[in-house]
Amino acid sequence: DSGVTQTPKHLITATGQRVTLRCSPRSGDLSVYWYQQSLDQGLQFLIQYYNGEERAKGNILERFSAQQFPDLHSELNLSSLELGDSALYFCASSVDSGNQPQHFGDGTRLSIL
Amino acid sequence: DAKTTQPPSMDCAEGRAANLPCNHSTISGNEYVYWYRQIHSQGPQYIIHGLKNNETNEMASLIITEDRKSSTLILPHATLRDTAVYYCIVRAPRDPLQGAQKLVFGQGTRLTINP
Repeated sequence: DSGVTQTPKHLITATGQRVTLRCSPRSGDLSVYWYQQSLDQGLQFLIQYYNGEERAKGNILERFSAQQFPDLHSELNLSSLELGDSALYFCASSVDSGNQPQHFGDGTRLSIL
Repeated sequence: DAKTTQPPSMDCAEGRAANLPCNHSTISGNEYVYWYRQIHSQGPQYIIHGLKNNETNEMASLIITEDRKSSTLILPHATLRDTAVYYCIVRAPRDPLQGAQKLVFGQGTRLTINP
């Protein structure tokens, strides 16, 4: 158990819809990262938040957004969903002090029908 | 962050030591070597990391060459549950206020433990 909690584990929805994925980081971790893993792309970094503020963006689509709340949990919002958005979405957290590693949750599997 | 090269696949017999190599010939002096694994579609699991000294924990050992251009992850007594994709990642520590702490995953090594 990494200590990072992601909900829901599975999500099935239709094209054009909007969903919210939730992540609770490990106790004490200030940074939250979101990654996407699709079959043909591997693990790709989407976005990082540190103590409530956005710190880095990767290959995140404009239809996607995220935020980190005062209690440090984070949500990833995906809108106008397309078939190609079907993927595993992972959240990771870290202390971000020096060389400390990131720890990943078990992910949310998003299926777009 | 330095690029890494890993063999796409490896096999190992159950009970034997699994030695997974990683080449990072362009590594900089302040960059750490991290190892993660991903079992089927579970979240990547942190295994171990190091700078220049050999490291050992309850999961594995990490051997880094003296010139730091390559490293080897050792699973001392591989079990069927160690079958996974193993990722070697090189990354420098950064001030989190500057962002860009992301991990860059390559294709990794698909390790299969055979009974």
